[in-house]
Amino acid sequence: DGGITQSPKYLFRKEGQNVTLSCEQNLNHDAMYWYRQDPGQGLRLIYYSQIVNDFQKGDIAEGYSVSREKKESFPLTVTSAQKNPTAFYLCASQRGTGYEQYFGPGTRLTVT
Amino acid sequence: EDQVTQSPEALRLQEGESSSLNCSYTVSGLRGLFWYRQDPGKGPEFLFTLYSAGEEKEKERLKATLTKKESFLHITAPKPEDSATYLCAVRSNSGGSNYKLTFGKGTLLTVNP
Repeated sequence: DGGITQSPKYLFRKEGQNVTLSCEQNLNHDAMYWYRQDPGQGLRLIYYSQIVNDFQKGDIAEGYSVSREKKESFPLTVTSAQKNPTAFYLCASQRGTGYEQYFGPGTRLTVT
Repeated sequence: EDQVTQSPEALRLQEGESSSLNCSYTVSGLRGLFWYRQDPGKGPEFLFTLYSAGEEKEKERLKATLTKKESFLHITAPKPEDSATYLCAVRSNSGGSNYKLTFGKGTLLTVNP
Protein backbone atom coordinates (compact mmCIF):
# COMPACT_ATOMS: atom_id res chain seq x y z
CA ASP A 1 0.00 0.00 0.00
CA GLY A 2 1.23 3.48 -0.84
CA GLY A 3 1.34 6.03 1.88
CA ILE A 4 3.23 8.16 4.35
CA THR A 5 4.71 6.78 7.53
CA GLN A 6 5.88 8.74 10.54
CA SER A 7 7.74 7.31 13.45
CA PRO A 8 7.53 7.10 16.32
CA LYS A 9 3.89 7.82 17.14
CA TYR A 10 4.80 9.17 20.59
CA LEU A 11 8.14 10.68 21.58
CA PHE A 12 9.29 11.93 24.95
CA ARG A 13 12.43 14.00 25.48
CA LYS A 14 14.08 16.06 28.14
CA GLU A 15 14.56 19.77 27.65
CA GLY A 16 17.87 20.62 25.97
CA GLN A 17 18.00 17.48 23.82
CA ASN A 18 17.73 17.45 20.05
CA VAL A 19 15.28 14.95 18.58
CA THR A 20 14.68 13.75 15.01
CA LEU A 21 11.26 12.81 13.66
CA SER A 22 11.07 10.42 10.74
CA CYS A 23 8.89 10.80 7.63
CA GLU A 24 8.92 8.36 4.72
CA GLN A 25 6.65 8.21 1.66
CA ASN A 26 6.34 5.62 -1.11
CA LEU A 27 3.94 7.64 -3.26
CA ASN A 28 6.74 8.90 -5.52
CA HIS A 29 5.71 12.46 -4.66
CA ASP A 30 8.13 15.29 -5.38
CA ALA A 31 7.18 17.66 -2.56
CA MET A 32 7.21 17.02 1.18
CA TYR A 33 6.16 19.17 4.12
CA TRP A 34 6.37 19.44 7.89
CA TYR A 35 3.58 21.05 9.91
CA ARG A 36 3.06 21.65 13.58
CA GLN A 37 -0.42 21.46 15.15
CA ASP A 38 -1.26 22.93 18.56
CA PRO A 39 -4.66 22.86 20.28
CA GLY A 40 -6.97 25.59 18.97
CA GLN A 41 -4.59 26.54 16.16
CA GLY A 42 -4.46 25.70 12.50
CA LEU A 43 -1.63 23.70 10.96
CA ARG A 44 1.50 25.83 10.73
CA LEU A 45 4.17 25.16 8.12
CA ILE A 46 7.68 24.51 9.43
CA TYR A 47 9.66 23.51 6.32
CA TYR A 48 8.94 22.20 2.86
CA SER A 49 10.90 20.63 0.04
CA GLN A 50 9.92 20.65 -3.62
CA ILE A 51 12.79 18.47 -4.84
CA VAL A 52 15.66 16.42 -3.47
CA ASN A 53 18.52 18.42 -1.94
CA ASP A 54 16.42 21.59 -1.75
CA PHE A 55 14.12 22.91 0.98
CA GLN A 56 12.59 26.19 2.11
CA LYS A 57 11.63 27.66 5.46
CA GLY A 58 7.98 27.87 6.29
CA ASP A 59 6.29 30.25 8.69
CA ILE A 60 7.79 28.88 11.92
CA ALA A 61 11.22 27.42 11.01
CA GLU A 62 13.17 28.77 13.98
CA GLY A 63 14.52 25.96 16.16
CA TYR A 64 13.98 23.29 13.48
CA SER A 65 16.16 21.78 10.76
CA VAL A 66 15.51 19.36 7.87
CA SER A 67 17.31 17.45 5.15
CA ARG A 68 16.14 15.96 1.85
CA GLU A 69 18.79 13.54 0.65
CA LYS A 70 16.32 11.06 -0.83
CA LYS A 71 12.98 11.58 -2.55
CA GLU A 72 11.24 9.26 -0.10
CA SER A 73 12.54 10.75 3.13
CA PHE A 74 12.24 14.15 4.85
CA PRO A 75 13.38 13.98 8.51
CA LEU A 76 12.76 16.87 10.89
CA THR A 77 15.11 17.70 13.76
CA VAL A 78 13.70 19.64 16.68
CA THR A 79 16.65 21.39 18.28
CA SER A 80 17.12 22.66 21.80
CA ALA A 81 16.68 26.18 20.38
CA GLN A 82 12.97 25.54 19.82
CA LYS A 83 11.36 27.23 22.81
CA ASN A 84 8.08 25.34 22.92
CA PRO A 85 8.60 22.01 21.14
CA THR A 86 5.73 20.04 22.67
CA ALA A 87 3.20 19.59 19.85
CA PHE A 88 1.68 17.23 17.29
CA TYR A 89 3.91 17.07 14.18
CA LEU A 90 2.51 16.17 10.78
CA CYS A 91 4.37 15.26 7.62
CA ALA A 92 2.72 15.56 4.20
CA SER A 93 3.58 14.94 0.57
CA GLN A 94 2.30 16.25 -2.74
CA ARG A 95 2.64 14.91 -6.28
CA GLY A 96 3.40 18.21 -7.95
CA THR A 97 2.22 21.74 -8.60
CA GLY A 98 -1.44 22.32 -7.81
CA TYR A 99 -2.20 18.90 -6.35
CA GLU A 100 -3.58 18.09 -2.91
CA GLN A 101 -1.36 17.17 0.02
CA TYR A 102 -1.57 13.81 1.76
CA PHE A 103 -0.71 13.50 5.43
CA GLY A 104 0.99 10.94 7.60
CA PRO A 105 -0.42 9.76 10.95
CA GLY A 106 1.61 12.26 12.98
CA THR A 107 4.11 12.18 15.84
CA ARG A 108 3.20 13.59 19.24
CA LEU A 109 6.31 15.05 20.84
CA THR A 110 6.40 15.84 24.55
CA VAL A 111 9.38 17.70 26.00
CA THR A 112 9.68 18.07 29.77
CA GLU B 1 -0.91 37.35 3.33
CA ASP B 2 -3.49 34.61 2.86
CA GLN B 3 -6.14 34.24 5.54
CA VAL B 4 -8.62 31.46 6.22
CA THR B 5 -11.41 31.68 8.80
CA GLN B 6 -13.65 28.75 9.63
CA SER B 7 -16.98 28.94 11.42
CA PRO B 8 -18.42 27.84 13.68
CA GLU B 9 -15.52 26.63 15.85
CA ALA B 10 -17.70 23.78 17.10
CA LEU B 11 -21.04 22.35 15.96
CA ARG B 12 -23.26 19.77 17.61
CA LEU B 13 -25.90 18.04 15.51
CA GLN B 14 -28.39 15.28 16.06
CA GLU B 15 -28.14 12.32 13.75
CA GLY B 16 -30.01 13.20 10.55
CA GLU B 17 -29.90 16.97 11.18
CA SER B 18 -28.32 18.56 8.08
CA SER B 19 -26.12 21.65 8.36
CA SER B 20 -23.20 23.54 6.78
CA LEU B 21 -19.69 24.52 7.78
CA ASN B 22 -18.20 27.76 6.49
CA CYS B 23 -14.71 28.63 5.27
CA SER B 24 -14.07 32.29 4.42
CA TYR B 25 -10.83 33.18 2.69
CA THR B 26 -8.78 36.16 1.61
CA VAL B 27 -6.10 35.39 -0.96
CA SER B 28 -4.25 36.93 -3.85
CA GLY B 29 -5.21 34.67 -6.70
CA LEU B 30 -6.82 31.42 -5.55
CA ARG B 31 -5.07 28.31 -6.86
CA GLY B 32 -7.21 25.82 -4.98
CA LEU B 33 -9.34 25.37 -1.85
CA PHE B 34 -8.99 22.09 0.01
CA TRP B 35 -11.18 20.34 2.58
CA TYR B 36 -9.80 17.75 4.99
CA ARG B 37 -11.28 15.62 7.76
CA GLN B 38 -9.21 14.97 10.90
CA ASP B 39 -10.02 12.41 13.57
CA PRO B 40 -8.54 12.88 17.07
CA GLY B 41 -4.85 11.97 17.22
CA LYS B 42 -4.61 11.27 13.48
CA GLY B 43 -3.40 13.03 10.36
CA PRO B 44 -5.85 14.94 8.14
CA GLU B 45 -7.62 12.95 5.44
CA PHE B 46 -8.13 14.64 2.08
CA LEU B 47 -11.75 15.17 1.02
CA PHE B 48 -12.08 17.70 -1.82
CA THR B 49 -10.32 20.27 -3.97
CA LEU B 50 -12.23 23.20 -5.51
CA TYR B 51 -10.59 25.53 -8.00
CA SER B 52 -13.15 28.06 -9.23
CA ALA B 53 -16.32 29.81 -8.09
CA GLY B 54 -19.42 27.78 -8.79
CA GLU B 55 -17.63 24.45 -8.56
CA GLU B 56 -19.19 21.70 -6.44
CA LYS B 57 -17.90 18.29 -5.32
CA GLU B 58 -19.77 15.49 -3.51
CA LYS B 59 -18.80 12.43 -1.55
CA GLU B 60 -21.41 10.40 0.32
CA ARG B 61 -23.13 12.79 2.75
CA LEU B 62 -20.70 15.66 2.08
CA LYS B 63 -20.96 18.36 -0.55
CA ALA B 64 -18.45 21.19 -0.96
CA THR B 65 -19.21 24.42 -2.79
CA LEU B 66 -17.11 27.48 -3.65
CA THR B 67 -17.77 31.19 -4.18
CA LYS B 68 -15.26 34.01 -4.68
CA LYS B 69 -15.09 34.64 -0.95
CA GLU B 70 -16.03 31.42 0.83
CA SER B 71 -16.63 27.71 0.68
CA PHE B 72 -19.31 25.65 2.37
CA LEU B 73 -19.18 22.03 3.41
CA HIS B 74 -22.76 20.79 3.50
CA ILE B 75 -23.47 17.68 5.55
CA THR B 76 -26.73 15.93 4.70
CA ALA B 77 -28.34 13.59 7.22
CA PRO B 78 -25.13 13.18 9.24
CA LYS B 79 -24.27 10.04 11.18
CA PRO B 80 -22.20 9.74 14.38
CA GLU B 81 -19.25 8.50 12.30
CA ASP B 82 -19.12 11.92 10.60
CA SER B 83 -17.93 13.38 13.90
CA ALA B 84 -14.47 14.88 13.33
CA THR B 85 -12.65 18.17 12.87
CA TYR B 86 -13.04 19.54 9.35
CA LEU B 87 -10.16 21.66 8.06
CA CYS B 88 -10.16 24.11 5.18
CA ALA B 89 -6.98 25.26 3.40
CA VAL B 90 -6.13 27.51 0.44
CA ARG B 91 -3.31 27.74 -2.04
CA SER B 92 -2.66 31.05 -3.79
CA ASN B 93 -0.28 32.95 -6.04
CA SER B 94 1.20 34.92 -3.14
CA GLY B 95 4.83 34.40 -2.18
CA GLY B 96 5.65 32.87 -5.54
CA SER B 97 4.99 29.34 -4.31
CA ASN B 98 2.62 26.90 -5.94
CA TYR B 99 3.05 24.48 -3.09
CA LYS B 100 2.19 26.16 0.20
CA LEU B 101 -1.19 25.77 1.90
CA THR B 102 -2.69 28.09 4.50
CA PHE B 103 -5.03 26.31 6.92
CA GLY B 104 -7.96 27.51 8.99
CA LYS B 105 -8.32 26.43 12.62
CA GLY B 106 -11.03 23.93 11.81
CA THR B 107 -14.61 23.17 12.84
CA LEU B 108 -15.16 20.42 15.41
CA LEU B 109 -18.31 18.54 14.40
CA THR B 110 -20.07 16.25 16.86
CA VAL B 111 -23.04 14.18 15.69
CA ASN B 112 -25.10 12.66 18.48
CA PRO B 113 -27.08 9.44 17.92
